[in-house]
Amino acid sequence: NAGVTQTPKFRILKIGQSMTLQCAQDMNHNYMYWYRQDPGMGLKLIYYSVGAGITDKGEVPNGYNVSRSTTEDFPLRLELAAPSQTSVYFCASSAGTGLYEQYFGPGTRLTVT
Amino acid sequence: QQQVKQSPQSLIVQKGGISIINCAYENTAFDYFPWYQQFPGKGPALLIAIRPDVSEKKEGRFTISFNKSAKQFSLHIMDSQPGDSATYFCAASNKAAGNKLTFGGGTRVLVKP
Repeated sequence: NAGVTQTPKFRILKIGQSMTLQCAQDMNHNYMYWYRQDPGMGLKLIYYSVGAGITDKGEVPNGYNVSRSTTEDFPLRLELAAPSQTSVYFCASSAGTGLYEQYFGPGTRLTVT
Repeated sequence: QQQVKQSPQSLIVQKGGISIINCAYENTAFDYFPWYQQFPGKGPALLIAIRPDVSEKKEGRFTISFNKSAKQFSLHIMDSQPGDSATYFCAASNKAAGNKLTFGGGTRVLVKP
């Protein structure tokens, strides 16, 4: 049972490039989330999903897109990367409905230069 | 709008001492209040959590105190150990709103031997 996995661990992008951050969980959780963590700050929700085919915006969705075609996977797409997107990105999942604990992945450190 | 405010931003405590971190929230619809612990280079991990129908919850050396009327909750770390040195985040969520976590800004705790 690997829990929540994220790839890559590190990435450097040039301004204007695009990339997809991968997230997968093997706990059969319906709820999945993407957060970003800026230095010295708390986590802010980018997008979330309550099940396959259902996604919704969080607090800071601009510049990102998501899809949820399976229960296991929840990729985050960055289009036209900007320096403001330099951050550490965390994916999380939870069983939802009465079970609140969110399990976090190890994170992806992204630098946009 | 910062819905969960956390203080202090950092604290230093001697081994064996008590660490106290405070959080205040604004949204009265929140119905779940977890604390997460994060070590450098790792994702946050659930430490302890409380529902608003109880005023205190204790798990080992960690205690949450909850004051619903004041919309405040706090984490007490008793007999602090060097291994407790980490960043602690309070958070709040609302089951009816997709269990999305709103995080405080974090407190970096350093326990000196």
